[in-house]
Amino acid sequence: DTAVSQTPKYLVTQMGNDKSIKCEQNLGHDTMYWYKQDSKKFLKIMFSYNNKELIINETVPNRFSPKSPDKAHLNLHINSLELGDSAVYFCASSQGHSGNTIYFGEGSWLTVV
Amino acid sequence: QKEVEQNSGPLSVPEGAIASLNCTYSDRGSQSFFWYRQYSGKSPELIMFIYSNGDKEDGRFTAQLNKASQYVSLLIRDSQPSDSATYLCAVNVRGYQKVTFGTGTKLQVIP
Repeated sequence: DTAVSQTPKYLVTQMGNDKSIKCEQNLGHDTMYWYKQDSKKFLKIMFSYNNKELIINETVPNRFSPKSPDKAHLNLHINSLELGDSAVYFCASSQGHSGNTIYFGEGSWLTVV
Repeated sequence: QKEVEQNSGPLSVPEGAIASLNCTYSDRGSQSFFWYRQYSGKSPELIMFIYSNGDKEDGRFTAQLNKASQYVSLLIRDSQPSDSATYLCAVNVRGYQKVTFGTGTKLQVIP
């Protein structure tokens, strides 16, 4: 069983569209994250939720809206997609949020054309 | 100054040699240090973590931490072509709720 699973794996869409990426973890962790990895491979945190509560929001444009219905799920909705949003988006989870091991999903490759 | 700095590489080593990957960090309050490996097109996976000054060994991997110099390294002994990947250093600062990643060092092990 995949510990952190995210869908879709690949997404090609036009500028201006709205899209969502879903994430689920079965590790029993209480903290989930969204990371963005750009073309230069820099992995940057976007959001973090602990027990469904938003604890990190790294000055991400408000076109990006995370939603955590429960501590095992963290979805990411993106409005009005722009070319610069093209990247790999990784969902991840950990137990606690202060320096424990982070487990990553397989990534969602988003291409905006 | 970047919070976590790594040489982007590529670092090329012959098969069987020791690969040495280095990372420096800016915040003296950092207390948890991680090395992740990322194969091309894949997600990062944890190799090792270290919290205390000194060395920590796990198989062919050794993590070294020097808090006074704000420096953490990863040594890979008997390097194999399968070790070819990007290695990401990650740091957690005490009291902060996030782990910050470096930009990674690409390692190439030449058969």
